[in-house]
Amino acid sequence: SQQGEEDPQALSIQEGENATMNCSYKTSINNLQWYRQNSGRGLVHLILIRSNEREKHSGRLRVTLDTSKKSSSLLITASRAADTASYFCALKTKTSYDKVIFGPGTSLSVIP
Amino acid sequence: ETGVTQTPRHLVMGMTNKKSLKCEQHLGHNAMYWYKQSAKKPLELMFVYNFKEQTENNSVPSRFSPECPNSSHLFLHLHTLQPEDSALYLCASSPAGEANEKLFFGSGTQLSVL
Repeated sequence: SQQGEEDPQALSIQEGENATMNCSYKTSINNLQWYRQNSGRGLVHLILIRSNEREKHSGRLRVTLDTSKKSSSLLITASRAADTASYFCALKTKTSYDKVIFGPGTSLSVIP
Repeated sequence: ETGVTQTPRHLVMGMTNKKSLKCEQHLGHNAMYWYKQSAKKPLELMFVYNFKEQTENNSVPSRFSPECPNSSHLFLHLHTLQPEDSALYLCASSPAGEANEKLFFGSGTQLSVL
């Protein structure tokens, strides 16, 4: 399978805590992206990390990439109730010029 | 607002109906995508168009027929659908070529097939 697999499938935390989601994959990638989806809506791009990068930051988001372990993590610091959503990792593989393949996602609930 | 607009937002149709989903983007992108999102399943890539040419058909049944008349518009024509085709259909766009990375999604059409 070319898609990533997120872990955990569901995560519930208190507001102010940090949330960590992981993505594992099996193929060679050009880049890995993280998206967010509020219930029943379209996806919003959060951050992209290329295969030659190890870490990127954007606001309260921190993404790491370990190509030797074929895994990535998304850390949301100081979570807010508004962060409640589903989070997806998406792969652009070396063989899929036009494709961006999504994993099944992690459902995050931030309790006020 | 992502710059990608999908209509209608909701659609209910019978198995014998013919309907079309519309997607429009004014971002200057040359690649457009249809994804299907069913409950408890990952997003499934259906079709990809680059510069109006279909470059990917991910083994989608022929009851789904895409059309890309220009780089700003993408349609998904539906006919004789099955109840299992009920899902959220998402359109996305991106710059084509090697810059084809970040996807911009519409809000989707929630389709129910009765």
